[in-house]
Amino acid sequence: EVQLLESGGGLVQPGGSLRLSCAASGFTFSTYAMNWVRQAPGKGLEWVSTISANGDSTYCADSVKGRFTVSRDNSKNTLYLQMNSLRAEDTAVYYCAKGRSTSCYSCAFDMWGQGTMVTVSS
Amino acid sequence: EIVLTQSPATLSLSPGERVTLSCRASQSVSSYLAWYQQKPGQAPRLLIYDASNRATGIPARFSGSGSGTDFTLTISSLDPEDFAVYYCQQRSNWPITFGQGTRLEIK
Repeated sequence: EVQLLESGGGLVQPGGSLRLSCAASGFTFSTYAMNWVRQAPGKGLEWVSTISANGDSTYCADSVKGRFTVSRDNSKNTLYLQMNSLRAEDTAVYYCAKGRSTSCYSCAFDMWGQGTMVTVSS
Repeated sequence: EIVLTQSPATLSLSPGERVTLSCRASQSVSSYLAWYQQKPGQAPRLLIYDASNRATGIPARFSGSGSGTDFTLTISSLDPEDFAVYYCQQRSNWPITFGQGTRLEIK
């Protein structure tokens, strides 16, 4: 069974940092692109970042560029999101999501974790 | 950035009814459009990918169509479990973008 389990969320002050993790199981992690998507309270979905299967290529939304960094450790089946210089508008549930196919880089997201809440507030 | 506009924002319908949700892109996304369902307190679930392909385990009452800039998600006969928020998403161009969502409510 495919499982994605996020962790690392919490309350942080503006300007602070957090690192989110997403532990994957039930599939060959190293062959799929992975993604982060966030959802502010009561709002819609916002794509945050994508990383290729081998980690060589990454894309980030303009809203987080220069502040957030996506990475992965295929030996640990884990995806990461390093978040620096956090702002109040980064407050959201952060989901990790698996690309649907090994043959496309920006696939639809066929499996999602349960999400981890990040609150940026003083 | 490709903007996806979903309509209507909210729909109130009864179980058993047929419903069609719309998603319009600000420029062509070819067939690189997906649909997701999200229930309160849950993660989104992939329903349709590449405009018309049902994801694994998705009931046949869900169907998608369209290409270019205009897309639809049709639910042929609403089940009580289908009342949720639906989002479209394009993967044609970076950044990946989502529509603002359509809320499907029980009438």
